[in-house]
Amino acid sequence: ETGVTQTPRHLVMGMTNKKSLKCEQHLGHNAMYWYKQSAKKPLELMFVYNFKEQTENNSVPSRFSPECPNSSHLFLHLHTLQPEDSALYLCASSLHTGKRNQPQHFGDGTRLSIL
Amino acid sequence: AQTVTQSQPEMSVQEAETVTLSCTYDTSESDYYLFWYKQPPSRQMILVIRQEAYKQQNATENRFSVNFQKAAKSFSLKISDSQLGDAAMYFCAYRSAGLTFGEGTQLTVNP
Repeated sequence: ETGVTQTPRHLVMGMTNKKSLKCEQHLGHNAMYWYKQSAKKPLELMFVYNFKEQTENNSVPSRFSPECPNSSHLFLHLHTLQPEDSALYLCASSLHTGKRNQPQHFGDGTRLSIL
Repeated sequence: AQTVTQSQPEMSVQEAETVTLSCTYDTSESDYYLFWYKQPPSRQMILVIRQEAYKQQNATENRFSVNFQKAAKSFSLKISDSQLGDAAMYFCAYRSAGLTFGEGTQLTVNP
């Protein structure tokens, strides 16, 4: 138990569907992150939030829309996805982005499959 | 931009033996942080060890230690007395805004 919970664990959706991934952390952290893990590729940082403010968007297509209503919750809204978006989506949190020596704590991920 | 390279896609080790996983990185920063994470089949990313670049002393956590060569931009992980539970994908990571990961090394531990 890392203190970071992601739901759902698995998601299958069509290209025209709209769905959301949820991440919740119980560690009192103020920074939250979305990563994409595709087969045979390194994990890719997608978004960074620090104290609810987005501080990094790593050139992610607009069909991925993040939302951070408070420091404990992070969402990734999905719409009109492509087959190449099938991947494991990992959420992480850390104390805050200014404390770079502090590790990030990861959730178990959501396995997303696009039909 | 920082890059992280792990040149060993797969490694294997006999139980109780020692194995070293390689990692190199590229950065123009002088102060930074490096991490090793492991990802077992359960897919949860677990911190193994971390190193601050300004510290010359290599980090150690029980059976895990690093060989940090700042001038060479090398950050290898040594696992001593390997156990079956060490089998996992190991990722080297550089901390910038988020983490920049290497491609990973799949470690197999043979009984």
